[in-house]
Amino acid sequence: DIQLTQSPSFLSASVGDRVTITCRASQDISSYLAWYQQKPGKAPELLIHAASSLQSGVPSRFRGSGSGTEFTLTISSLQPEDFATYYCQQLYSYPLTFGGGTKVDIK
Amino acid sequence: QVQLQESGPGLVKPSETLSLICTVSGYSIGRGYYWAWIRQPPGKGLEWIGSIYHSGSTYYNPSLKSRVTISVDTSQNQFSLRLTSVTAADTAVYYCARVVNSGSDYWGQGTLVTVSS
Repeated sequence: DIQLTQSPSFLSASVGDRVTITCRASQDISSYLAWYQQKPGKAPELLIHAASSLQSGVPSRFRGSGSGTEFTLTISSLQPEDFATYYCQQLYSYPLTFGGGTKVDIK
Repeated sequence: QVQLQESGPGLVKPSETLSLICTVSGYSIGRGYYWAWIRQPPGKGLEWIGSIYHSGSTYYNPSLKSRVTISVDTSQNQFSLRLTSVTAADTAVYYCARVVNSGSDYWGQGTLVTVSS
């Protein structure tokens, strides 16, 4: 199975901050990586697919980059509605796996 | 607009079988894509359970494979999950989702299933 390691697990930030979350894969997954945002009591929402493609309707302050084994999700200017938990997922091979999540909280 | 809705019992007794249905609207399952079940224990992360193609081909998480069956009914535009011999560790919010080749773009709202006597 491909393991995904997200870091940090938790981060505290302020509105307007630039935030970067990292997802490392245990083997090369090319660009088969997605990022999701999940708010309490809600289903995850797709932000980024194919490592760097912005899902339709997602604000441009979200940016995904990377390929191979190292990926990043960057929020250029954190907004109040961005406080949530973020997950990466690899779709390169079965079983599909998720990272452990990164909770972004208000400083 | 594509919508998915999970349905099924919210309480299942230990050792019994958990059965859920995902009803899809706004898109015909028979047109393609994979369709997945994903779960999330309370306060924990996401776990992929398995996926099915409209043709019926399936992929399962090896950690659950011996207990899981996912099937599709294109005439009803539904796909379903069966998980046998449940324990308290299977208590979770269960989501269904559509899987495109590089992400899951539509999700159901999720349904909490509690395993308890």
